[in-house]
Parts: sequence; structure tokens; C-alpha cells
Amino acid sequence: DQQVKQNSPSLSVQEGRISILNCDYTNSMFDYFLWYKKYPAEGPTFLISISSIKDKNEDGRFTVFLNKSAKHLSLHIVPSQPGDSAVYFCAASGEGFKTIFGAGTRLFVKA
Amino acid sequence: NAGVTQTPKFQVLKTGQSMTLQCAQDMNHNSMYWYRQDPGMGLRLIYYSASEGTTDKGEVPNGYNVSRLNKREFSLRLESAAPSQTSVYFCASREGIRGYSPLHFGNGTRLTVT
Repeated sequence: DQQVKQNSPSLSVQEGRISILNCDYTNSMFDYFLWYKKYPAEGPTFLISISSIKDKNEDGRFTVFLNKSAKHLSLHIVPSQPGDSAVYFCAASGEGFKTIFGAGTRLFVKA
Repeated sequence: NAGVTQTPKFQVLKTGQSMTLQCAQDMNHNSMYWYRQDPGMGLRLIYYSASEGTTDKGEVPNGYNVSRLNKREFSLRLESAAPSQTSVYFCASREGIRGYSPLHFGNGTRLTVT
């Protein structure tokens, strides 16, 4: 059973508009959430994170929102740029050393 | 600064052959991880090493063994490769021991088992 779910395999957005990537989780013991970005033939790279004690974290064009009651988080990219086209992975961590990843969402930003 | 280095980048094996995937990090990180990435499945944890001298199973450890050779190096071994092990393998390391510390990934090894 997947503990971290990204239900949209892909998303297409026009350049300059907002991209919203969604993620749901089932384990209430998760206390830290991260987003990673992956380009083809490269490893994932860390993008932004949020602790369970917060509901929002912002870094430049990237904002992550956390709704603990709904066990849902989202990544907003504003404005979207063609260089943002990549696969985005949602990840969650709790006690211990493991980080659990979602299946990823492929974002296409059209120029 | 190389970060996390994985070798080889590509490998083709026949069923039943064995091989070792190598990983080294130069960031003085304590914990190291092996993930596999499959279409529609995301990244799944195979094994991890919280510190030098310790290793533990992740979500999908069957068919694999690992060795934490020293603080820098963490290898993944396939003793008898199977087509189900066709995947892209990523090694990662982390500075801290808790999940709030981001993982640093290598660029992956693409393995095909025929």
C-alpha cells in the first residue's frame, strides 16, 4: 500500500501560469515533507521542504502548502518557466531514517 | 565537489549473472541509501546504512545485498540477477540522521537484465 501518493502522472501548464502539484499521504506519523525535482539522466535534487508544525513554506517561485487534517500537500510554482519541466517527487519522513517517495508527476511547461 | 558518484552508469546483465553497483560520497555524510526507480512506482528504498558499520532493509530488499565499506562507500550487490531487477538505481546520502535532512542523489545506474 502506497503511503505517499501522487495521483497525477503528468501536468501541462503554459509558461507564466501557476503549476500546482498535489500529494497525499496516509501515515499520520510523517512529520517532515520534501519535494524533489528530477531531470532526465540525472538524480533527483532537493527543492523545498516543510515541517508538520507549519502549513506553508516559501522559497522564491516555489511554495509548499500542508493540510495535516486532510493529509495533503501541494507544491505551487509561480510563474512557471520552461526550465521547470521535470519530474517532481513528493517525499515524507517520520521516525527513523527512511524517506518514502511518491510515484512522481511529470510537469510540462509550454513556452 | 563531486557529491555522490555512482558507477557504472549503464549495465546489461543476463539472468543469473551477478554484479556490484558502486557508490561513493565526498560530503562526509553519515547515512547512505540505495533506491530503485521504476515507471509508475517512484523511488523505492532497497537498503540503507544509518552509519558506518550498520545496514538495514528498506521496502524492497529481496534479491540484494549491501556493504558499507567505510564512511564514504556503500555498494549494492545483485547475486543472481533477474529481469524484475531491470531498473534505474540511485544511491543517496544525507548529512543528518533524521528525515528533515535532504537526500543528495547520484546520477543513477541504468540496469537491464535480459
